Amino acid sequence: DSGVTQTPKHLITATGQRVTLRCSPRSGDLSVYWYQQSLDQGLQFLIQYYNGEERAKGNILERFSAQQFPDLHSELNLSSLELGDSALYFCASSADRTYGYTFGSGTRLTVV
Amino acid sequence: LAKTTQPISMDSYEGQEVNITCSHNNIATNDYITWYQQFPSQGPRFIIQGYKTKVTNEVASLFIPADRKSSTLSLPRVSLSDTAVYYCLVGEYNAGNMLTFGGGTRLMVKP
Repeated sequence: DSGVTQTPKHLITATGQRVTLRCSPRSGDLSVYWYQQSLDQGLQFLIQYYNGEERAKGNILERFSAQQFPDLHSELNLSSLELGDSALYFCASSADRTYGYTFGSGTRLTVV
Repeated sequence: LAKTTQPISMDSYEGQEVNITCSHNNIATNDYITWYQQFPSQGPRFIIQGYKTKVTNEVASLFIPADRKSSTLSLPRVSLSDTAVYYCLVGEYNAGNMLTFGGGTRLMVKP
């Protein structure tokens, strides 16, 4: 157990639908990062939150949004889903002065 | 962010030592070098990190020359379970900065 919890582990939904992925960071970590990994592809950075504020944005689609709540958990919202959104979505967290990320086990999203 | 270049894939056999080299010519003074390991359908896992010279832990060694423009991850006596993708990342960590993962090196360990 890495200390970063992601739910659900698997999600199957239809095109056009909206889903919410949840991430609880490791205790004490203020930063949360979201990554997307499609089949046999690298990790694509989506967005980072630090203590509730958006810190950095990567290649995140306008149909996707995220937020970090006062208790530091984060949610990634994916709407108007398309087949191409099927992927593994990873959340990672880090502390203020840390030497690396801790990743969760991911949410596998399948859009049918 | 410093750009990294590493081999796309490598093959090895059980019991051998594997060295994966990463080039990072434009590494900045405050940048650290970190390696992650990723198994299929799992999140990346931190392996080792260094700033200069040599770092060793129970899993691997990291060799960094004086100019810091490259680094080499060394895995001693690999086993089948070391088959994974290995990512080299370069960045500054003291403020929880975002890191960019490159394509990584796909290591295949054969019996």
